[in-house]
Amino acid sequence: GENVEQHPSTLSVQEGDSAVIKCTYSDSASNYFPWYKQELGKGPQLIIDIRSNVGEKKDQRIAVTLNKTAKHFSLHITETQPEDSAVYFCAASSGAGGTSYGKLTFGQGTILTVHP
Amino acid sequence: DVKVTQSSRYLVKRTGEKVFLECVQDMDHENMFWYRQDPGLGLRLIYFSYDVKMKEKGDIPEGYSVSREKKERFSLILESASTNQTSMYLCASSLEEAQYFGPGTRLLVL
Repeated sequence: GENVEQHPSTLSVQEGDSAVIKCTYSDSASNYFPWYKQELGKGPQLIIDIRSNVGEKKDQRIAVTLNKTAKHFSLHITETQPEDSAVYFCAASSGAGGTSYGKLTFGQGTILTVHP
Repeated sequence: DVKVTQSSRYLVKRTGEKVFLECVQDMDHENMFWYRQDPGLGLRLIYFSYDVKMKEKGDIPEGYSVSREKKERFSLILESASTNQTSMYLCASSLEEAQYFGPGTRLLVL
């Protein structure tokens, strides 16, 4: 089955700096890669996703890059703010077709702390 | 907006009790999922369902069962709760790839 490794487990940055979280996956059939943000006491919230036919996707201060050859993808947050402090999870899926029904395999999570 | 609700935010149960965790989604999604979340392990899939009365085992189904009698509702059942089932339980639903999560139920088994 799929295995997703996420690094680092904790990340501390100053407000205004950039933050980068990296994930690797093992199943070359995976073609959908979402990122979730989980704030304290809440469920994970989808913040951005990318499909394997795209190398990069950007949404305001957040961007995700995908290298299919190396089987890794990364989350980039620019101009970080204290409200970006949360736990971030990457995930991988081989898609909603066939028998996988969109099953996601998650990384272990990264605790991001943005200091004012 | 997709809304996924879970019946309880916090639960305390005794070892050996039967525990029901309920999840309801209001977006007519076909797929529903139950995960448990433990520090350092991320989210691990317990069971999922792609249609009413259909269920599939995830990565860690032992000690759990599920029920999906209606499209909007997916229940997780701990037949005989044990202390190693103390965890955060998260429900999610999806139409295609993107999954939407509820707020979670933090379960403590004493």
